[in-house]
Amino acid sequence: EPEVTQTPSHQVTQMGQEVILRCVPISNHLYFYWYRQILGQKVEFLVSFYNNEISEKSEIFDDQFSVERPDGSNFTLKIRSTKLEDSAMYFCASSGHGELFFGEGSRLTVL
Amino acid sequence: QQQVKQSPQSLIVQKGGISIINCAYENTAFDYFPWYQQFPGKGPALLIAIRPDVSEKKEGRFTISFNKSAKQFSLHIMDSQPGDSATYFCAADRGSTLGRLYFGRGTQLTVWP
Repeated sequence: EPEVTQTPSHQVTQMGQEVILRCVPISNHLYFYWYRQILGQKVEFLVSFYNNEISEKSEIFDDQFSVERPDGSNFTLKIRSTKLEDSAMYFCASSGHGELFFGEGSRLTVL
Repeated sequence: QQQVKQSPQSLIVQKGGISIINCAYENTAFDYFPWYQQFPGKGPALLIAIRPDVSEKKEGRFTISFNKSAKQFSLHIMDSQPGDSATYFCAADRGSTLGRLYFGRGTQLTVWP
């Protein structure tokens, strides 16, 4: 069964450092998303990406965040200067016609 | 602003019992209401979803009931099993937003054997 894969599974970083989270969406999907889940809280939308551009972003997705699809297969989320409150599980998702398929997540811990 | 409200926060059910989780929404533009199941260390996985043109959808032991006038929908798990123990999230989406799901806060379900 096709799946969304994410790397790394866990990353620990110092406050102020740049972090890149990587995702390989399901191959024939056209819509890509990043969500995050702070420990014990609900899953929150960050950004959607279609046709090589951002379709929509939430208020969480400020100038510190960026997304890119550098090579037609990977989909990355970059956090330019991490803050303590960026500590969360970050989920990548992709969809073809509607249903979102989520990856297993990348846990980011900012110290 | 909490677009989707979910209750209860946690639920303990005996094996074979019925688990019921409720959600309410505010935005009448929502037109897609999925339920996601999440096991520890995993991403959310779509369990079942409904659109507002029907009042109920059943897939195996899982049923969504939808009340458009009350802006409420619920998940019923019949014959609950220990393997159903997980966190369940309701969500809502507007057709125009291409996958921007608004999630509820989640319900941690524990089914005792």
